[in-house]
Amino acid sequence: QLQLQESGPGLVKPSETLSLTCTVSGGSLSSSSYYWGWIRQPPGKELEWIGSIYYSGTTFYNPSLKSRVTISVDTSKNQFSLKLTSVTAADTAVYHCARHSTVVDLNWFDPWGQGTLVTVSS
Amino acid sequence: EIVLTQSPGSLSLSPGERASLSCRASQTFSSTYLAWYQQKPGQAPRLLIYGASSRATGIPDRFSGSGSGTDFTLTISRLEPEDFAVYYCQQYYNSPFTFGPGTKVDIK
Repeated sequence: QLQLQESGPGLVKPSETLSLTCTVSGGSLSSSSYYWGWIRQPPGKELEWIGSIYYSGTTFYNPSLKSRVTISVDTSKNQFSLKLTSVTAADTAVYHCARHSTVVDLNWFDPWGQGTLVTVSS
Repeated sequence: EIVLTQSPGSLSLSPGERASLSCRASQTFSSTYLAWYQQKPGQAPRLLIYGASSRATGIPDRFSGSGSGTDFTLTISRLEPEDFAVYYCQQYYNSPFTFGPGTKVDIK
């Protein structure tokens, strides 16, 4: 059964870079059928898709965050990572990783990682 | 960007009752591109419905989805204790993928 697990610092200072990793187990990140994405949920607010990556390294991002986001992949470790620069308190959120299909008609997110809370504070 | 609006924001019902949750989109799109998720506190969202009406693997048949165009509905025919949670709709018609703000179903 495919599982995703987020990891990384729970506290980041304002103006610094948030870095998280998602480790995929029970399956290969190198599947040609899937993208691997990041989604966040600020406290009390709605889910926001951040961006996604294909195992080859092809990425696509939410325009609202594109200038500050980099998603990368390490197929040897079955991991993909998120970097968000110049963070502010507005970036405080639970960050989830999730899988979605490369087929447009099948592009829902499943499964998801449990999520990790990242707080931006000095 | 497609904006999704969910109503009501919260719903208080008793076990055994029927729940009807609405998701409205800011522009029309095929029902192929609408999903519903369930999230319980401290847990990851779980896919319930894709293509507006197809149940994901292992989802009980008391969950059903319907709708087209801009109006979609998730119905829970008879609420079980484990169904009290927050429900989100999501569109994957175009990028950026967007989610609704959620409907919280709690015990009356």
